Amino acid sequence: KQEVTQIPAALSVPEGENLVLNCSFTDSAIYNLQWFRQDPGKGLTSLLLIQSSQREQTSGRLNASLDKSSGRSTLYIAASQPGDSATYLCAVSSGNTPLVFGKGTRLSVIA
Amino acid sequence: DGGITQSPKYLFRKEGQNVTLSCEQNLNHDAMYWYRQDPGQGLRLIYYSHIVNDFQKGDIAEGYSVSREKKESFPLTVTSAQKNPTAFYLCASSTYVADTQYFGPGTRLTVL
Repeated sequence: KQEVTQIPAALSVPEGENLVLNCSFTDSAIYNLQWFRQDPGKGLTSLLLIQSSQREQTSGRLNASLDKSSGRSTLYIAASQPGDSATYLCAVSSGNTPLVFGKGTRLSVIA
Repeated sequence: DGGITQSPKYLFRKEGQNVTLSCEQNLNHDAMYWYRQDPGQGLRLIYYSHIVNDFQKGDIAEGYSVSREKKESFPLTVTSAQKNPTAFYLCASSTYVADTQYFGPGTRLTVL
């Protein structure tokens, strides 16, 4: 059974710092990997989707990489801002089954 | 305006009562999902539906029921058999099961 782990569980950084969030998964036979953002008390917002054949995806200050063989993905946030404070969740799909989510990394960017 | 809506935002239930959470989407998505979120537990899948008139149990289906009579709607009923229903419930939809999921704003259910 697929398991997704995100480390660290919480992270606090000063404004302007570049940072990396980590995601690992146990079964490398994935269809795609997705990163989401969740603000407190709200639903999730999709940030990036990486197909299994891709190595990375970029959107603005966000860059997500995928190393399927080692079961790892990273989300890189450049020049962090207080507005980036949220919980970031990683999820993987095996194709014909729903996403399996990690527990998330709670990010605080301090002004 | 395309999107996915959930109602109500807050719901209070007395022990022994059944309650139904609403989820509607106008994105023309075939797949819909219900998740439960508890502090420190991440998202856990309750039920999902690939297509109208078909749905499958997720990891924690006991004490819950769903229907999918229309493409746009996927209501979740929390029955009295669910022993610890206090949680934040999220509905999502996607074009197909592995595609990007779009989430509603959530319903916070509290048992009094």
